[in-house]
Amino acid sequence: DTAVSQTPKYLVTQMGNDKSIKCEQNLGHDTMYWYKQDSKKFLKIMFSYNNKELIINETVPNRFSPKSPDKAHLNLHINSLELGDSAVYFCASSQTSGGARNEQFFGPGTRLTVL
Amino acid sequence: AQSVTQPDIHITVSEGASLELRCNYSYGATPYLFWYVQSPGQGLQLLLKYFSGDTLVQGIKGFEAEFKRSQSSFNLRKPSVHWSDAAEYFCAVGRIKAAGNKLTFGGGTRVLVKP
Repeated sequence: DTAVSQTPKYLVTQMGNDKSIKCEQNLGHDTMYWYKQDSKKFLKIMFSYNNKELIINETVPNRFSPKSPDKAHLNLHINSLELGDSAVYFCASSQTSGGARNEQFFGPGTRLTVL
Repeated sequence: AQSVTQPDIHITVSEGASLELRCNYSYGATPYLFWYVQSPGQGLQLLLKYFSGDTLVQGIKGFEAEFKRSQSSFNLRKPSVHWSDAAEYFCAVGRIKAAGNKLTFGGGTRVLVKP
């Protein structure tokens, strides 16, 4: 009965590679997010999709490309990985229509290590 | 722009003692306020939230928080800490009923519990 799931949980790769992280939510929510947590535990929004439409795109290198094939999925593809991309990436979802209060539910995170 | 400050990076408390974590926010409108907890290697779990109404809100695991508009604060409290409360705690502020909402997080407070 997992609410927000992410795969993989751990990802170790070399600089210059391309990798993807997948996220799925079974809560029926209409909005999904990607957050990045750096080594000092600081959490920052990267992207948000509402009904498959990109609505938040913070200052993120264009090597990062989110894709939402449907409301329940939001994937993150990263090209040409750099050392500074090493972090924990969290997916989250919320319901923002119909008077909902935008309580965000988080996945378990994907720890990306770039060597 | 919205911002959240958690002044205490680390707090050490004895098991059974009370705990208070400070959170100050900066926001141009009525805020939605949240406290999340992150156990080691885990995702973020929502402890409690404030939207409107009673300024003292109850959450899970025996936590409560008080919203003080005059002080722009939303401090988290627990009367008696258990060893399992050792974790990282994040305060966050968000917008109301808006697609495109994002949560802005504070830097987190790490709680250590002494036996």
